[in-house]
Amino acid sequence: EPEVTQTPSHQVTQMGQEVILRCVPISNHLYFYWYRQILGQKVEFLVSFYNNEISEKSEIFDDQFSVERPDGSNFTLKIRSTKLEDSAMYFCASTIQGGRSNQPQHFGDGTRLSIL
Amino acid sequence: AQSVTQPDIHITVSEGASLELRCNYSYGATPYLFWYVQSPGQGLQLLLKYFSGDTLVQGIKGFEAEFKRSQSSFNLRKPSVHWSDAAEYFCAVGGGDDKIIFGKGTRLHILP
Repeated sequence: EPEVTQTPSHQVTQMGQEVILRCVPISNHLYFYWYRQILGQKVEFLVSFYNNEISEKSEIFDDQFSVERPDGSNFTLKIRSTKLEDSAMYFCASTIQGGRSNQPQHFGDGTRLSIL
Repeated sequence: AQSVTQPDIHITVSEGASLELRCNYSYGATPYLFWYVQSPGQGLQLLLKYFSGDTLVQGIKGFEAEFKRSQSSFNLRKPSVHWSDAAEYFCAVGGGDDKIIFGKGTRLHILP
C-alpha cells in the first residue's frame, strides 16, 4: 500500500538555525498537510496546501514557517529561525481529493525535531 | 468551534478484557470521524473511519466504533485486547480537504 514518507526521522538543530522537513506524499494525492505534536500533547494542525498554495493555516503557522512543493513529489516545511518551543514531532499527511470526500488523510511516520 | 474530547487520559485493562475508549465531538456539519493509534515513537495509523451510512464501523486489528449522533459520540471498542494494543489512541473529526482536529488522546495500558 502506498505510504507517505518523511525524512529525516530525527533532526537535531541549534536554536536560531533554519530547518527543512521533507515529505513525499502518496503520488496521486492532491491535498497536503503538516501537523505537529509537542511531546505529551495532542496532534495540532499547522497548514494545508492545494494547487501550489496554502488553503488554510493555524495560528501556530506564523511567519517563521513556510511550505513548498518544489517539484512533483516533495512537500517541505521550513522553519526559518528555530526556537526551543519548535521541538516536536512533525507529521505530514496527504489525501487524494477534497470537497468533503470520503477519502481519509494518510499520515507519515513523522520527523522528530529537537532544538538545542 | 470544532473540538474533540477524550475524557480518559489513561485506561488500564487486563489482557483479554473488553475495551471501550470514549470520544465526544463538536462539529458544525455532519462529521467525518476517525480513530488513530500511535505506538511509542511511531506515526499515526488509521484504525477506522466514519463518513456516512452504517453507524457501527469496523476497523483494523479487531476494533470497531459506533457513531451516535444524539450523544455526539464515537466510542472505540474491542471485545478482547491483546498486549500489542498498548498505545495511544486519538479520536479525530474533520477530514476530506478539511483539517483534522484531534483529541488529546487516551493512553492504553495492558496488564498481563
